[in-house]
Amino acid sequence: GESVGLHLPTLSVQEGDNSIINCAYSNSASDYFIWYKQESGKGPQFIIDIRSNMDKRQGQRVTVLLNKTVKHLSLQIAATQPGDSAVYFCAENPPGYSTLTFGKGTMLLVSP
Amino acid sequence: SQTIHQWPATLVQPVGSPLSLECTVEGTSNPNLYWYRQAAGRGLQLLFYSVGIGQISSEVPQNLSASRPQDRQFILSSKKLLLSDSGFYLCAWSRALNEKLFFGSGTQLSVL
Repeated sequence: GESVGLHLPTLSVQEGDNSIINCAYSNSASDYFIWYKQESGKGPQFIIDIRSNMDKRQGQRVTVLLNKTVKHLSLQIAATQPGDSAVYFCAENPPGYSTLTFGKGTMLLVSP
Repeated sequence: SQTIHQWPATLVQPVGSPLSLECTVEGTSNPNLYWYRQAAGRGLQLLFYSVGIGQISSEVPQNLSASRPQDRQFILSSKKLLLSDSGFYLCAWSRALNEKLFFGSGTQLSVL
């Protein structure tokens, strides 16, 4: 479905800092979650995913944490770089929907 | 490996003109295919998805239509464009419904 909003939440960090991007998902029965990165003028790029039987999953410089109790998903980026500047979307697979449902997105701005 | 091609990258069309955007996927068989639209600074709105040749599901009533003439080809069309059709159009594929999506590079459509 569509996520609407006139202004994207923005997180501004310094290069080298760790970034944490948060997402509150809507359906407690969702069992699969994904983070995407979208740079300006490009299509969203898959970063990492996690299934509900896990609380944490690590990739290269990224970690996804899942808290099913409060329906919260976070993406941690270690040693953030200017190239990490983008809009980050979370997605879930709520039952009864044929496709993933996307969150509103968070803009990450990394300054040197 | 799988790749998704979407073209053109940018398109400027007058109101009332027709539209045809094409998307093809390589390296996989029987993919699920999707068309999304993204207004500036906003999230992803699902327009159409397809689970097989000739099978199209529409998510929102609109001025657009989709077709899937071949297994790995997905086309977005309009007979007469409206100003409100402007936006960033993204094609995507997945191996199954509710699994992670892989997006194309997008088409920026401006209707003037």
